[in-house]
Amino acid sequence: QKEVEQDPGPLSVPEGAIVSLNCTYSNSAFQYFMWYRQYSRKGPELLMYTYSSGNKEDGRFTAQVDKSSKYISLFIRDSQPSDSATYLCAMRGMNTGFQKLVFGTGTRLLVSP
Amino acid sequence: EAGVTQFPSHSVIEKGQTVTLRCDPISGHDNLYWYRRVMGKEIKFLLHFVKESKQDESGMPNNRFLAERTGGTYSTLKVQPAELEDSGVYFCASSQTPHWTSGGGTGELFFGEGSRLTVL
Repeated sequence: QKEVEQDPGPLSVPEGAIVSLNCTYSNSAFQYFMWYRQYSRKGPELLMYTYSSGNKEDGRFTAQVDKSSKYISLFIRDSQPSDSATYLCAMRGMNTGFQKLVFGTGTRLLVSP
Repeated sequence: EAGVTQFPSHSVIEKGQTVTLRCDPISGHDNLYWYRRVMGKEIKFLLHFVKESKQDESGMPNNRFLAERTGGTYSTLKVQPAELEDSGVYFCASSQTPHWTSGGGTGELFFGEGSRLTVL
């Protein structure tokens, strides 16, 4: 079983829709949770960074962490065609090595005009 | 400010040959990481340098892979001899030492665009 599970998609939505992206994980030692965006042929780019449980908002993006359910989410409001990319969740624990991230496989998002 | 630079962007070699990938981190970043994504799988950690020292190499698949970071600047990842299963995208990332360890940075990883390796 993978430590981090993520639906690969693709997820297709019309412009302006609210997008929900999710990951589940099995390692209860994970405490730092990240969402990366990756455009085709580019490297991952950090979008959101959350420590422990709770919500964090940044513009159109909201990250949620529910440690009791081992479930994290990224919501994108008013989605734009420029949001079309692969979204990767990543996480690490205090004792799993500094910045030794464990990634999900990524969800490909397509936002149509 | 220049980002993380990786070379080559794509390399096609035959099984048994040798390939060397290079990474130039962001200037001033002491931490350098190699990650790899093989087709259909998730990005996986390979190793972590702090300056010229290997901090964690627990993700290196086997002894056909050799990473170096001479002088604490750029890094190379050599695969010798290459096998079919080594095909994938090799990402390099760099970061400052985070402030909570007195390094002054946020610890955020900045990734390069990756080096795509195809072994035939």
